[in-house]
Amino acid sequence: GEDVEQSLFLSVREGDSSVINCTYTDSSSTYLYWYKQEPGAGLQLLTYIFSNMDMKQDQRLTVLLNKKDKHLSLRIADTQTGDSAIYFCADCPNNLFFGTGTRLTVIP
Amino acid sequence: GAVVSQHPSWVICKSGTSVKIECRSLDFQATTMFWYRQFPKQSLMLMATSNEGSKATYEQGVEKDKFLINHASLTLSTLTVTSAHPEDSSFYICSARDQRGVYNEQFFGPGTRLTVL
Repeated sequence: GEDVEQSLFLSVREGDSSVINCTYTDSSSTYLYWYKQEPGAGLQLLTYIFSNMDMKQDQRLTVLLNKKDKHLSLRIADTQTGDSAIYFCADCPNNLFFGTGTRLTVIP
Repeated sequence: GAVVSQHPSWVICKSGTSVKIECRSLDFQATTMFWYRQFPKQSLMLMATSNEGSKATYEQGVEKDKFLINHASLTLSTLTVTSAHPEDSSFYICSARDQRGVYNEQFFGPGTRLTVL
């Protein structure tokens, strides 16, 4: 089956950039997604990228996609304390497959 | 964006009782809804895919008699955890696919935390 992997933890100082990485195995997805989950809450779609793109920028968020290496990253510029959450990447060859989630901690 | 609600948001029950969780798409019709389960500090695990008017498709290892899914209308799907036991304690999240969306987005509910004593 599909395997989506992320590192579990990331700590950054407020104002720095955060980069969360994700690798996946199934390259047939049309879209790849980044979701944010705050404590005790459901998932919020942050952004997505079409599989024939290699970069997408949306305000403080930049998504990079390397299809050859099956690598997806999410960069958050000027990280704020409100960005502290768990971030999941997901691809969707048929159903959504989520990574393990990366817990981002922003240090004031 | 589209809104998906879940009810209840938190439930505590005794072992052996059954618990029903509702998932509603509030401003769109969802022919397909999904049920996920999330254990503490872990990722979401897809339990089943629910299509309106037909039987749900369960993922491998998910007991269909234990987790009953009904998708009777285009805006409502229910998950019933039958004869719940402490190991069923988890965070259950539903999502609904908006067929109008151009990028096949699933909108997630806020989740239901089930604690079985």
